[in-house]
Amino acid sequence: GAVVSQHPSWVICKSGTSVKIECRSLDFQATTMFWYRQFPKQSLMLMATSNEGSKATYEQGVEKDKFLINHASLTLSTLTVTSAHPEDSSFYICSAGGKEGQPQHFGDGTRLSIL
Amino acid sequence: AQKVTQAQTEISVVEKEDVTLDCVYETRDTTYYLFWYKQPPSGELVFLIRRNSFDEQNEISGRYSWNFQKSTSSFNFTITASQVVDSAVYFCALSERGFQKLVFGTGTRLLVSP
Repeated sequence: GAVVSQHPSWVICKSGTSVKIECRSLDFQATTMFWYRQFPKQSLMLMATSNEGSKATYEQGVEKDKFLINHASLTLSTLTVTSAHPEDSSFYICSAGGKEGQPQHFGDGTRLSIL
Repeated sequence: AQKVTQAQTEISVVEKEDVTLDCVYETRDTTYYLFWYKQPPSGELVFLIRRNSFDEQNEISGRYSWNFQKSTSSFNFTITASQVVDSAVYFCALSERGFQKLVFGTGTRLLVSP
């Protein structure tokens, strides 16, 4: 089946560091990918929709300059958390899917801890 | 606007009990899609089932069954003879016509004890 690979799975870094998370679709082309954030014991909140070859679409309340998204190819989207601070610590998960109504395939997620 | 409600925050059962996880949704669209995902402690999301708004047939897959009722805007999930490996957080989600993005419910944490 379709596989989405997310890397790294765990990041611990100092406050002020920028962190890049990669999301790859391994066996299909994904013109659209999604980035979610999940706090402990809470649901997944959509942060942004990543569109291949164009700018990402951010959900209300998500800082575009803080969470930079690049979708340069049909198999790779990256999320960069710039100048990360402790409040950015969370579980970030990406997904990619096929057509409308089809199930999304999720990466395994990235646990980000900012000290 | 679309919304998914999972009123049960946490459910605890003993192995072999049956358990039903509730999901109620809101949408203005007549074409929409409903999903259930499982998130085990390791964190990854596992797709369980997809239903479109025109298919109200209930479905059974092994110990899992789903009851979709448009009249009550519900898409409930039942696990029969639960097992410890069923312990996870289960999310119900909705997407609408023309959109791929998912709106998730708050999830139900299921704990199955031996």
